[in-house]
Amino acid sequence: QVQLVQSGAEVKKPGSSVKVSCKASGGTFSSYTISWVRQAPGQGLEWMGRIIPILGIANYAQKFQGRVTITADKSTSTAYMELSSLRSEDTAVYYCARVGIAAASNWFDPWGQGTLVTVSS
Amino acid sequence: EIVMTQSPATLSVSPGERATLSCRASQSVSSNLAWYQQKPGQAPRLLIYGASTRATGIPARFSGSGSGTEFTLTISSLQSEDFAVYYCQQYNNWYTFGQGTKLEIK
Repeated sequence: QVQLVQSGAEVKKPGSSVKVSCKASGGTFSSYTISWVRQAPGQGLEWMGRIIPILGIANYAQKFQGRVTITADKSTSTAYMELSSLRSEDTAVYYCARVGIAAASNWFDPWGQGTLVTVSS
Repeated sequence: EIVMTQSPATLSVSPGERATLSCRASQSVSSNLAWYQQKPGQAPRLLIYGASTRATGIPARFSGSGSGTEFTLTISSLQSEDFAVYYCQQYNNWYTFGQGTKLEIK
């Protein structure tokens, strides 16, 4: 049973960066992709980007291009999402999720427990 | 970007009754559509993928239908634990989510 465990809550100042980790256990890390999704307070789900660990290739939603960097360490089965130039609107819960590599299996399952990032001066 | 529109925003239903949630895509997504359930303070949980296939461990009272641009999630007999927010998601062209439908107790 694959499980994704994320790093703990963060409080950051505007203009700084945050890096959130997502460690996979119980499955084959390189056989899937890892996506990152955020959810602002009381709002819906927003896809940010994904990484293909076996290739080390990342793709980003246009909204976050230039501000987000997603990486993966195959040796520790851990994915990372770094968001820079933080502003108050980036306050949200950030989730990682495992996604199938094949185009017809791109649903998100399972999800990490979420990491609350608060941006405040 | 494919826009996903869910309706209604809020649905009030009594326990034991049927709930029908709708999701519309701005262009065809074939059957590349998933449904998720989210309860307060929890991560989303996959319910349905491929528009109509239940994920592992999901009760048979949950069913999905549709293809192309129109999709439906039906919960046949609502249990207390089903009251939550439901999201549809297309994965035909990258990923976009609907804005969610809140299913509340009537």
